[in-house]
Amino acid sequence: GEDVEQSLFLSVREGDSSVINCTYTDSSSTYLYWYKQEPGAGLQLLTYIFSNMDMKQDQRLTVLLNKKDKHLSLRIADTQTGDSAIYFCAESKSGNTPLVFGKGTRLSVIA
Amino acid sequence: NAGVTQTPKFRVLKTGQSMTLLCAQDMNHEYMYWYRQDPGMGLRLIHYSVGEGTTAKGEVPDGYNVSRLKKQNFLLGLESAAPSQTSVYFCASRVRGAGGNTEAFFGQGTRLTVV
Repeated sequence: GEDVEQSLFLSVREGDSSVINCTYTDSSSTYLYWYKQEPGAGLQLLTYIFSNMDMKQDQRLTVLLNKKDKHLSLRIADTQTGDSAIYFCAESKSGNTPLVFGKGTRLSVIA
Repeated sequence: NAGVTQTPKFRVLKTGQSMTLLCAQDMNHEYMYWYRQDPGMGLRLIHYSVGEGTTAKGEVPDGYNVSRLKKQNFLLGLESAAPSQTSVYFCASRVRGAGGNTEAFFGQGTRLTVV
């Protein structure tokens, strides 16, 4: 079956790097996503990575994928208070199948 | 361009009452989804649709029905609400991918409380 696991909480100091980890069980997962949810809001796509890639960088965000270990991470450089939110890892087998989400990691940034 | 719009945003129901949540998207997306979000549980898929007139069950479909009579609308119905259905409901839509990735766009959510 499909399962996506994340740690529930992470606390970092402003200016430090944040690393949010995710593991998934479905080896046929093709797309892996990171979504951000701010309080009282819906989910916004931050970035995604295709399973044949091992790294993707987009400004302050770096996604690392270890397909052998089915491990995905999101690194946020120079974390700011505005980065405080819940971050969801999600996977899908194709561009057409529903996304399966993890439980979300609540990131708290301490000034 | 409104994206994905959910109505209502908040609702309180009594046990046994019925209601319909409406999701509307103006992006001409083929795929639409209903998720529920509960504390510590993440988002769980209730039902989804891959096109007008089609629906399919997700992970937690019991107690819910859906309809997709028009491409732009996806309705989620609760026939007899139960306190266990207290949750935040999110609708999402996605264009049909031609072998590549497509982003899922989310609505702002409907907070439902069943008392």
